[in-house]
Amino acid sequence: KQEVTQIPAALSVPEGENLVLNCSFTDSAIYNLQWFRQDPGKGLTSLLLIQSSQREQTSGRLNASLDKSSGRSTLYIAASQPGDSATYLCAVRGNTPLVFGKGTRLSVIA
Amino acid sequence: DTAVSQTPKYLVTQMGNDKSIKCEQNLGHDTMYWYKQDSKKFLKIMFSYNNKELIINETVPNRFSPKSPDKAHLNLHINSLELGDSAVYFCASSQRSGISGDTQYFGPGTRLTVL
Repeated sequence: KQEVTQIPAALSVPEGENLVLNCSFTDSAIYNLQWFRQDPGKGLTSLLLIQSSQREQTSGRLNASLDKSSGRSTLYIAASQPGDSATYLCAVRGNTPLVFGKGTRLSVIA
Repeated sequence: DTAVSQTPKYLVTQMGNDKSIKCEQNLGHDTMYWYKQDSKKFLKIMFSYNNKELIINETVPNRFSPKSPDKAHLNLHINSLELGDSAVYFCASSQRSGISGDTQYFGPGTRLTVL
């Protein structure tokens, strides 16, 4: 059974810092991995999707990497801004539907 | 232009009642999903429909019945509501449900509170 873990559960950083969010999964037989952002009281916004054959994806200040063999992914956020404050969720897709981690709650302090 | 919309946004009701949550997507996607996010913020899939056909039904009580009148709509009907049904329910859609899958787009969620 696939399990997804995200560390840390919460993170608070000053504005301008670069930061890394971690995601690990127990079953490396995945088809893709997706990073989402969830703002309080709102739905999920897809940030990046990495296919199993890819090593990384970039979108603006965000860079996601995938090491399928070790069951790990990282989301790198460069030059963090207060508007980046949200919960970041990692989800993997294999033979099962999307399995989500519990998220990392990020606070960027101005 | 709302891609995936849900109504209502908030729903407060008594135990034992029957309620429905509606979902619509205007993205032309083939596949739609319902997810439940519990009080611990853990998000878990409930159902998936592809072109109006049920393709995923996780271990969800049969009090929950999805209905897909057409490809753009997937409604969730819940009978005999229980306290444990209180959660945020998210609808989502993707272009297709193939093995590799596609990016899923989520609605804003419906916060259900059962008293």
